[in-house]
Amino acid sequence: SQELEQSPQSLIVQEGKNLTINCTSSKTLYGLYWYKQKYGEGLIFLMMLQKGGEEKSHEKITAKLDEKKQQSSLHITASQPSHAGIYLCGADYSGGSNYKLTFGKGTLLTVNP
Amino acid sequence: SQTIHQWPATLVQPVGSPLSLECTVEGTSNPNLYWYRQAAGRGLQLLFYSVGIGQISSEVPQNLSASRPQDRQFILSSKKLLLSDSGFYLCAWFKRRTYGYTFGSGTRLTVV
Repeated sequence: SQELEQSPQSLIVQEGKNLTINCTSSKTLYGLYWYKQKYGEGLIFLMMLQKGGEEKSHEKITAKLDEKKQQSSLHITASQPSHAGIYLCGADYSGGSNYKLTFGKGTLLTVNP
Repeated sequence: SQTIHQWPATLVQPVGSPLSLECTVEGTSNPNLYWYRQAAGRGLQLLFYSVGIGQISSEVPQNLSASRPQDRQFILSSKKLLLSDSGFYLCAWFKRRTYGYTFGSGTRLTVV
């Protein structure tokens, strides 16, 4: 089974609406990363969470990591067409020098004007 | 500033043909380098990573291989492509934990 589950797989919202994307890990993680991808392009780093209960915001996007460090959510307030794309969460399980990320399958976000 | 270059952007290759994808990083030394493949419905799958010249770790047994002939160069290869090798290939390098990976722009490979 997948170590990192994202939900929903896809999401269609009307411009101006709020939305939440979830990322659940089957085990405790060391760090959790959120990336955004436009179709056919590379991934762009959004935010990194490391401490249990941590919350970070950038413009209209807020990411949270639960106290157990197994679940994260990405919340977009007042969505805009520019928010459309694929959102992926990536988990660092090692915490050591052997750094590598395990990714979820992604959430495809469509924002209709 | 650090940049990562990946080419070609798109590639259409017949089954059984060889493959060579190249990734180079500028503005840093001794980076960790990674090859991922993104296939529809399967998310991002780590194929290989390297912590230094000549050091390659393989994550998934498959028809591909990787090499790191220079500090900032990472190459993904295959001797004979299969239909199942089609996908979007991404190269990435690791800066530090606060920022995670920096990704290249990707190569769309279609094996026909």
